[in-house]
Amino acid sequence: DAGVIQSPRHEVTEMGQEVTLRCKPISGHNSLFWYRQTMMRGLELLIYFNNNVPIDDSGMPEDRFSAKMPNASFSTLKIQPSEPRDSAVYFCASSSRVGYTFGSGTRLTVV
Amino acid sequence: DQQVKQNSPSLSVQEGRISILNCDYTNSMFDYFLWYKKYPAEGPTFLISISSIKDKNEDGRFTVFLNKSAKHLSLHIVPSQPGDSAVYFCAASPGNEKLTFGTGTRLTIIP
Repeated sequence: DAGVIQSPRHEVTEMGQEVTLRCKPISGHNSLFWYRQTMMRGLELLIYFNNNVPIDDSGMPEDRFSAKMPNASFSTLKIQPSEPRDSAVYFCASSSRVGYTFGSGTRLTVV
Repeated sequence: DQQVKQNSPSLSVQEGRISILNCDYTNSMFDYFLWYKKYPAEGPTFLISISSIKDKNEDGRFTVFLNKSAKHLSLHIVPSQPGDSAVYFCAASPGNEKLTFGTGTRLTIIP
């Protein structure tokens, strides 16, 4: 099993540009989570899906952020337009009943 | 509003001694608690967990203690080894898949 796969690993973009982060969960896991890691707030839950349906998006910072899960094997987190304060490491995780498995993260830098 | 707090951003411990990492929570609905370990450029990985019906859970060198009345848990690592140097996140759940994480504690083991 390749684990949770995130792409890209690093992204540098200019303020105002659209950014799309991608995640492939572990096959058979029915829940998928997007987290953001910052020094000040640690790991914040942005949104999570169960069986491809968004369950809780209360952590999404503002309308510039959107997430989709069109099928059980793929999810995207989009930021449009991006701002410097969005710079952080974004993690995707998937879970079965046993627990979470995280991907390696995408380090986003908005300049 | 930080519902899970790790008040020590960093901790240094000599190799062979005990490392104690602390975590406090405010939400009385939390009934399952976990510790994750994170190395640089990797996603967090599950370390150990405890249910609210217990006050201690042990796994090898790692022991988690839960004090429900104080809303406090701690992770003990003994003896500490250089490979234990990492960031440790405390997490809590109200009994569903949603985890709330703390801000993390960077543990450095001094050889």
